[in-house]
Amino acid sequence: DTEVTQTPKHLVMGMTNKKSLKCEQHMGHRAMYWYKQKAKKPPELMFVYSYEKLSINESVPSRFSPECPNSSLLNLHLHALQPEDSALYLCASSQDRLYNEQFFGPGTRLTVL
Amino acid sequence: GQQVMQIPQYQHVQEGEDFTTYCNSSTTLSNIQWYKQRPGGHPVFLIQLVKSGEVKKQKRLTFQFGEAKKNSSLHITATQTTDVGTYFCAVPSSNTGKLIFGQGTTLQVKP
Repeated sequence: DTEVTQTPKHLVMGMTNKKSLKCEQHMGHRAMYWYKQKAKKPPELMFVYSYEKLSINESVPSRFSPECPNSSLLNLHLHALQPEDSALYLCASSQDRLYNEQFFGPGTRLTVL
Repeated sequence: GQQVMQIPQYQHVQEGEDFTTYCNSSTTLSNIQWYKQRPGGHPVFLIQLVKSGEVKKQKRLTFQFGEAKKNSSLHITATQTTDVGTYFCAVPSSNTGKLIFGQGTTLQVKP
């Protein structure tokens, strides 16, 4: 299985809602990533988990809260988001954190009203 | 911090024409990766280059890594409509290992 899956594919939420994005991989990868991508822009790194521990937080606002329950799962909890947070949220995994190719999931298209 | 410049931003070609995108860094790179993102899709890994002067081919795609390991190019011969998308180079940050993506080159192919 060389696939990274993400749910949901689309999400519309209000600024007072709480929602979660989910990501799963079964490739035995020990590094997992959350990226945010705006239209016509490259992916922008948000968080990196290495061996289930948060190793990089790119100064992301606290309204985004990552969680790594186990080596195959990665969640992104969303609370009190702003309309400017609307974007494609991509999950990726790699064998480990350094220098390896990253496998991206299909993403969650998030719209904040 | 680590930055990589990618040009051009956009390229429109007639089907059958060639296409090249370039990435340049001010610092020596340990490696460089290339990804393709189709419209409405997600980035898909194409290749990683590690050695100085390395050239790798995948069918009509040719990837090069400069002798000084500061630049790289992706060349597509005889483009097809299936080549449409945005091509990103990505380099590891020297001290954190995270990937830094170039701004991407969006390729449009007219049939």
